[in-house]
Amino acid sequence: DTGVSQDPRHKITKRGQNVTFRCDPISEHNRLYWYRQTLGQGPEFLTYFQNEAQLEKSRLLSDRFSAERPKGSFSTLEIQRTEQGDSAMYLCASSPGQSPLTYEQYFGPGTRLTVT
Amino acid sequence: AQKVTQAQTEISVVEKEDVTLDCVYETRDTTYYLFWYKQPPSGELVFLIRRNSFDEQNEISGRYSWNFQKSTSSFNFTITASQVVDSAVYFCALSEGGDSSYKLIFGSGTRLLVRP
Repeated sequence: DTGVSQDPRHKITKRGQNVTFRCDPISEHNRLYWYRQTLGQGPEFLTYFQNEAQLEKSRLLSDRFSAERPKGSFSTLEIQRTEQGDSAMYLCASSPGQSPLTYEQYFGPGTRLTVT
Repeated sequence: AQKVTQAQTEISVVEKEDVTLDCVYETRDTTYYLFWYKQPPSGELVFLIRRNSFDEQNEISGRYSWNFQKSTSSFNFTITASQVVDSAVYFCALSEGGDSSYKLIFGSGTRLLVRP
């Protein structure tokens, strides 16, 4: 069983450009999460999908951010008109979510975004 | 409001010493889940343990042990006979049963350095 994968691992972009990240969860995991982690901090929740439905978005997710999970498998996170404050590690996690006893989230390696 | 506090920003020990990482949480839910994750220098968060609020039994796994005390809202993590490979940032996290997303609320992490 392969783990969560994310692509790209690193992205350097200029302010104002759009970027898109991809996450492939563990197969058959219904729940998919996006988090953002800045230097020296713990990850902060951005958004959550149950299958293809986006069920919750954090206030951290401004209008410039959009996420999709079109077929309930992989997910994309797009940031439009990037700002320097968007520089962070973007983490994806998935969990089986079948019962409260299976709510462990398994994380991918992250995409490190640097906005210059 | 829910919150996780890891007061120890950084701990440095010599190999083979025992070390305890502290975690204090706040929640109004009676059902909740507590987690520990390890983030080595490579950056990927590794799941270590989940504990349910209704199960206060302490747990031991090899050199790792966890002490869950509801009376003090603490979920501390002890590494016995530490090794250099234990060097990493460790995060404690909380997930609330009343939150259908079961998103994780992380502490700010404790950086552990084990010196040879």
